[in-house]
Amino acid sequence: DQQVKQNSPSLSVQEGRISILNCDYTNSMFDYFLWYKKYPAEGPTFLISISSIKDKNEDGRFTVFLNKSAKHLSLHIVPSQPGDSAVYFCAASLNTGNQFYFGTGTSLTVIP
Amino acid sequence: GAVVSQHPSRVICKSGTSVKIECRSLDFQATTMFWYRQFPKQSLMLMATSNEGSKATYEQGVEKDKFLINHASLTLSTLTVTSAHPEDSSFYICSASSSSYEQYFGPGTRLTVT
Repeated sequence: DQQVKQNSPSLSVQEGRISILNCDYTNSMFDYFLWYKKYPAEGPTFLISISSIKDKNEDGRFTVFLNKSAKHLSLHIVPSQPGDSAVYFCAASLNTGNQFYFGTGTSLTVIP
Repeated sequence: GAVVSQHPSRVICKSGTSVKIECRSLDFQATTMFWYRQFPKQSLMLMATSNEGSKATYEQGVEKDKFLINHASLTLSTLTVTSAHPEDSSFYICSASSSSYEQYFGPGTRLTVT
């Protein structure tokens, strides 16, 4: 059963525009959410995270929004750059980091 | 989407013993499997990359004699933590890939060494 879902397998955005990646989850007990970025043939790297007690976290060009009532998470990248082209995974944590559930990823392509 | 399973999901073992974690790709053939370690609220740390039928490639700082990885078939990879110590307690995640553009993660295994 997929508790964390990324329903868009791919996304294309023009350079300079905003990229919005979405993630939905089913378990209201998740207490922490993370986004990872992955380049081909490399392991994923941590990007940004947010606690369930917050609704927004910003780090430079990256902002994560959490809507607990909708069980929805989104990552905003603005302005998008060609180097942002990668696969992005969202993940949700249960029991304060004792269990992680990952989405299947969204492949972002930023067009120069 | 593709499904990757890990077994067991949780394991508790005594210090000095060995424990094996299995990673299976259920509906596709995984030419490459990755093993990660994750501490709470921290990023994934890649431990090793294994290709079916060949020796695993370990990341710097990961002891290959302690973390034995076997990728015997296109659907199964195992990680054996040998002579486990309490500091090996962590969350171990595998992922499987059939191409360099896709990677499917397992649900993870929580290892506790007492």
